[in-house]
Amino acid sequence: AQSVTQLDSHVSVSEGTPVLLRCNYSSSYSPSLFWYVQHPNKGLQLLLKYTSAATLVKGINGFEAEFKKSETSFHLTKPSAHMSDAAEYFCVVRAAGGTSYGKLTFGQGTILTVHP
Amino acid sequence: NAGVMQNPRHLVRRRGQEARLRCSPMKGHSHVYWYRQLPEEGLKFMVYLQKENIIDESGMPKERFSAEFPKEGPSILRIQQVVRGDSAAYFCASSLDPGSYEQYFGPGTRLTVT
Repeated sequence: AQSVTQLDSHVSVSEGTPVLLRCNYSSSYSPSLFWYVQHPNKGLQLLLKYTSAATLVKGINGFEAEFKKSETSFHLTKPSAHMSDAAEYFCVVRAAGGTSYGKLTFGQGTILTVHP
Repeated sequence: NAGVMQNPRHLVRRRGQEARLRCSPMKGHSHVYWYRQLPEEGLKFMVYLQKENIIDESGMPKERFSAEFPKEGPSILRIQQVVRGDSAAYFCASSLDPGSYEQYFGPGTRLTVT
């Protein structure tokens, strides 16, 4: 079984300040992990993915995430927030085998608010 | 290469009617997933299909919901006798090989049951 826990339901930052969205995962095998972003009333866009290569993963729009096995974490960061970053962010783990092959399990989501 | 397409984007149904949601995967993708996003909740897996086969339907409600992905044409998620609790956003995702490649999501169908 696998699960993800996003530690904050809401995060509020000022424009130009760093962003940290926290995610912990649980998986019985080496996981594949993703961050998706959803803007209001829109679909989901992949920000970045970890699939057992480099532990520091760079994504689009200046976001990056670090896979830390010892902490079972996959936190999302960005050095400087932009107003357009305001959205909901989902940490996701992917099943590796069996009939659930490829199935994604989503965290509850973190709503990021960016103040001018 | 067009992305994943879903239609309709918005669907309003009265209680007791049927809802049909369509999903056309990206070209060359034969793996389709349906997810549901209830208000104030994250996305929950519903069903995983390959062409003409249901692989995993462990997330589907036991009654009134069905899904198919025929040899030709889009994948269909069908909800019979809709109730207010079915109001949600339904997302379809497709993948070339879900174990190795990411899933690409459609824009979703927002179902409102009145």
